Amino acid sequence: GNSVTQMEGPVTLSEEAFLTINCTYTATGYPSLFWYVQYPGEGLQLLLKATKADDKGSNKGFEATYRKETTSFHLEKGSVQVSDSAVYFCALSDGGSARQLTFGSGTQLTVLP
Amino acid sequence: DAGITQSPRHKVTETGTPVTLRCHQTENHRYMYWYRQDPGHGLRLIHYSYGVKDTDKGEVSDGYSVSRSKTEDFLLTLESATSSQTSVYFCAISEELGSPLHFGNGTRLTVT
Repeated sequence: GNSVTQMEGPVTLSEEAFLTINCTYTATGYPSLFWYVQYPGEGLQLLLKATKADDKGSNKGFEATYRKETTSFHLEKGSVQVSDSAVYFCALSDGGSARQLTFGSGTQLTVLP
Repeated sequence: DAGITQSPRHKVTETGTPVTLRCHQTENHRYMYWYRQDPGHGLRLIHYSYGVKDTDKGEVSDGYSVSRSKTEDFLLTLESATSSQTSVYFCAISEELGSPLHFGNGTRLTVT
């Protein structure tokens, strides 16, 4: 079956530091890949997505590139802000069934001023 | 923001009692989902719906039932709550399978 593995948290960074959150996946076929973000007390929000190999998703300064050869979709940001403190979830979708949307366990990010 | 309202936002109940959580959407999306979020497990699908009166099980459906009598409402029922069902429950919607999900703000359920 499909699976998503994220780097363990929590991650604590100083403001303006570089961020990488690793995500690797196992899937049959050619899934779409997503990063969702969850702020305290809220539901998940789509941050970015990529639907095929070598696609780069980007939003709000965050980027992730769909790497089929390494089955990875690492999230990066060049300069984090305190407001980026949240939990980040990597996810994949086969698209064929609602059951085929698989989430990673989430990575808590805290950015200190 | 997608118009998704979950109610109640918080609930404390006793073991063995029935509990119903409600999800209401104003987006007219076809697909609706119930997930539970637990530390270390990410989100796990409980049930989903692909239309009025059309529902199916997810990976953790035991002990839960759902109903969708109108496009905009999707109810999750715990027939007899257990402590293992203490969790945060999220409703989500999507236009199509494989489309990004839009989530509600969650219901924190505590079963004592």
